Amino acid sequence: KAGVTQTPRYLIKTRGQQVTLSCSPISGHRSVSWYQQTPGQGLQFLFEYFSETQRNKGNFPGRFSGRQFSNSRSEMNVSTLELGDSALYLCASSLGDRDNEKLFFGSGTQLSVL
Amino acid sequence: TQLLEQSPQFLSIQEGENLTVYCNSSSVFSSLQWYRQEPGEGPVLLVTVVTGGEVKKLKRLTFQFGDARKDSSLHITAAQPGDTGLYLCAGALSSNTGKLIFGQGTTLQVKP
Repeated sequence: KAGVTQTPRYLIKTRGQQVTLSCSPISGHRSVSWYQQTPGQGLQFLFEYFSETQRNKGNFPGRFSGRQFSNSRSEMNVSTLELGDSALYLCASSLGDRDNEKLFFGSGTQLSVL
Repeated sequence: TQLLEQSPQFLSIQEGENLTVYCNSSSVFSSLQWYRQEPGEGPVLLVTVVTGGEVKKLKRLTFQFGDARKDSSLHITAAQPGDTGLYLCAGALSSNTGKLIFGQGTTLQVKP
């Protein structure tokens, strides 16, 4: 069974640009969550999508947005990039309909904003 | 404000030593998970604890969930160089959701 796939693996952008990251969950998983990981703040929850609907949202500005498609693949978009957006962006998938179930993380997209 | 305080942040020990990592909060969690992350990879789940007072063992790793479901610990016996990595605790405030609150992590280095 293929794991969670995130593309691209690395990305370099400049301030003010926008970026779209992609996540393909494990087959059959309907929940996709996005996290931002930085050395200073650790892993912070961005949002979760379940069956194409945003089910949970973290405390990030509106520049951070996401969506989920009917095949459960998800994208997140960051507009008007700032230097502080440089981070490892991780997505995790799960079935999404059971209590305390296991999250499977992808290897992440390392975003550098110059 | 960090909801989950993890300590210590860094730990460098010799092979064969024992260690304990702590995860504390003032919040009650429906479950608490421990992950291990290696450089360039995403976190990999080690264990989920759900019941207050629960103890789970995974080979040389022992995980405990506090009675009040506010804290947890990870104890490694006879650490090996292969245990080196970033250990993360993560709590779920409610079940049936992909939203986890992560601790800052403990970077463990085990020297041969």
